Amino acid sequence: NAGVTQTPKFQVLKTGQSMTLQCAQDMNHEYMSWYRQDPGMGLRLIHYSVGAGITDQGEVPNGYNVSRSTTEDFPLRLLSAAPSQTSVYFCASSYEGGALETQYFGPGTRLLVL
Amino acid sequence: GIQVEQSPPDLILQEGANSTLRCNFSDSVNNLQWFHQNPWGQLINLFYIPSGTKQNGRLSATTVATERYSLLYISSSQTTDSGVYFCAPQATGFQKLVFGTGTRLLVSP
Repeated sequence: NAGVTQTPKFQVLKTGQSMTLQCAQDMNHEYMSWYRQDPGMGLRLIHYSVGAGITDQGEVPNGYNVSRSTTEDFPLRLLSAAPSQTSVYFCASSYEGGALETQYFGPGTRLLVL
Repeated sequence: GIQVEQSPPDLILQEGANSTLRCNFSDSVNNLQWFHQNPWGQLINLFYIPSGTKQNGRLSATTVATERYSLLYISSSQTTDSGVYFCAPQATGFQKLVFGTGTRLLVSP
């Protein structure tokens, strides 16, 4: 199993550009989520999904869109990038049955918005 | 929402020393997980521990949900233990983890 994969590893954008961060998992996990991590801080939840076709907002959803058309994939879209979105983005997945089980994280995408 | 506090924020140890990291949370929880973020940024799940005690090698964790805290013990620390340790509880009725700000650990040889 590859686990949780993320692409790209690193991206530079100009203000106003759009892009999609890709996340995929091959563990047949129902639950997937996106976090951002800013320097010296913990992880903050952007969006999450409890299964294909179901998404919900986390703590910091503004400026980001998600969709979940398959169990395996959970892309994160930035519609119009802003410098405040410079961060490291992590995708995670787990089984979900009321209580979230062990979360597995991808390697992260480092995003710089100029 | 649930508030999560981790202490201490920073910790420096000599190799071989023991340490205890604490996580306090404000609400009842279904679940709590501990993670280690290594110096290269990778996040690894250490424990899934909604209650009770678990051990994995030199690491162990205890969660007392009724008193709203969890402890992570590191014994005989090694330089490879360096990094940031996060706890992340899942508040009852919510389908998401909330991360604390972490404890940054540096183990020197």
